[in-house]
Amino acid sequence: SAVISQKPSRDICQRGTSLTIQCQVDSQVTMMFWYRQQPGQSLTLIATANQGSEATYESGFVIDKFPISRPNLTFSTLTVSNMSPEDSSIYLCSVLGLENTGELFFGEGSRLTVL
Amino acid sequence: GEDVEQSLFLSVREGDSSVINCTYTDSSSTYLYWYKQEPGAGLQLLTYIFSNMDMKQDQRLTVLLNKKDKHLSLRIADTQTGDSAIYFCAERWNKFYFGSGTKLNVKP
Repeated sequence: SAVISQKPSRDICQRGTSLTIQCQVDSQVTMMFWYRQQPGQSLTLIATANQGSEATYESGFVIDKFPISRPNLTFSTLTVSNMSPEDSSIYLCSVLGLENTGELFFGEGSRLTVL
Repeated sequence: GEDVEQSLFLSVREGDSSVINCTYTDSSSTYLYWYKQEPGAGLQLLTYIFSNMDMKQDQRLTVLLNKKDKHLSLRIADTQTGDSAIYFCAERWNKFYFGSGTKLNVKP
């Protein structure tokens, strides 16, 4: 298993500002992912954070709005840029386990409220 | 994208069994998973089942898979108040697809 730490755990932000969420893993992992969990909705994959190259974004998500860094195999950041109230959500960092079952391990999440 | 559907709410009394249902659309899924999310926490893997299995039991948890109907269920025996949480089913094909979650409320 992997232990994933996310910071901040929650924040209240003003419209138009940007916030960077950090994700630290206790072991080296190849695959890191960022998800968004809007209230009462399913998890939506934002992007796959690739070490040494640009992140791979899912349909509906763009780099200008959600820039991602992955400087090494244990750390990644997600920035939510120019925030609006629609960005209020929980943002989750996850990594792919190494076992054959290939389950995802999740951080505790970062709950953002945009006023 | 794939559709993974769950009912939104389930309420049971402590000591009863809980059954949470899920339907999915992709028969190519290799693994199907159940995750639990407690308030203010991330998702925690509860159990999984390989697609060539019909049933998997793990202590109080029983997972049933009906591949023909693309139906997955999670049964929690002797449900406790500590089981109150949101339960997500997920399938893995080329990527993970999650249901919207079932909020389980356990009444004492």
